[in-house]
Amino acid sequence: QVQLVESGGGVVQPGGSLRLSCAASGFTFSTYGMHWVRQTLNKGLQWVSFMRYDGSNTYYADSVKGRFTISRDNSKNTLYLQMNSLRIEDTAVYYCAKDQRWLQMEGLDAFDFWGQGTMVTVSS
Amino acid sequence: DIQMTQSPSSLSASVGDRVTITCRASQSIRTYLNWYQQKPGKAPELLIFAASNLQSGGPSRFSGSGSETDFTLTISSLQPEDFATYYCQQSYSPPQSFGQGTKLEIK
Repeated sequence: QVQLVESGGGVVQPGGSLRLSCAASGFTFSTYGMHWVRQTLNKGLQWVSFMRYDGSNTYYADSVKGRFTISRDNSKNTLYLQMNSLRIEDTAVYYCAKDQRWLQMEGLDAFDFWGQGTMVTVSS
Repeated sequence: DIQMTQSPSSLSASVGDRVTITCRASQSIRTYLNWYQQKPGKAPELLIFAASNLQSGGPSRFSGSGSETDFTLTISSLQPEDFATYYCQQSYSPPQSFGQGTKLEIK
């Protein structure tokens, strides 16, 4: 069965950095685009970033562009999110999520599996 | 960016009721509309994709309809396990965006 397991969340001061990981199993990771989505009480669900199945293309929400970097290691079935210059408003539960259809180029798809989420708290 | 607006924001209903939740897009998204169910402390789960297609394993009491800008999620006969928050999401144009959610509570 498909499993996505996030890790790496925690408490960090404004301006700090964190690296999130998402370990995938139960499907052919290298043939599916992957996303990061975050959730806050105030702003609800917000798409953050997408990486194509082969790592050849990435997209970011404007609010994180230039600060966050998505990457993947298909040999390790793992997705990453490097978060730099963190702001208080980045505080959220971060989920990794899988494209529903394989070999999607642009990530414009439903998310058919989600991880359990990892909490990121940015606070002084 | 495309804005997604759900109504109502919350809804009280009883087991056995028929319930409809509405989602409106700020511009046409054809049928690139997905619905998710989220229970407290859990990740969202895909319920309906492409406006009207029931995700594998989803109960048949859930159905979706609509196109262009107006969409509905209908639960034909509420069950106790359906009390949750429901979100719509457009996957037509980046950035993918979600509605603010509809919390379905027990009356």
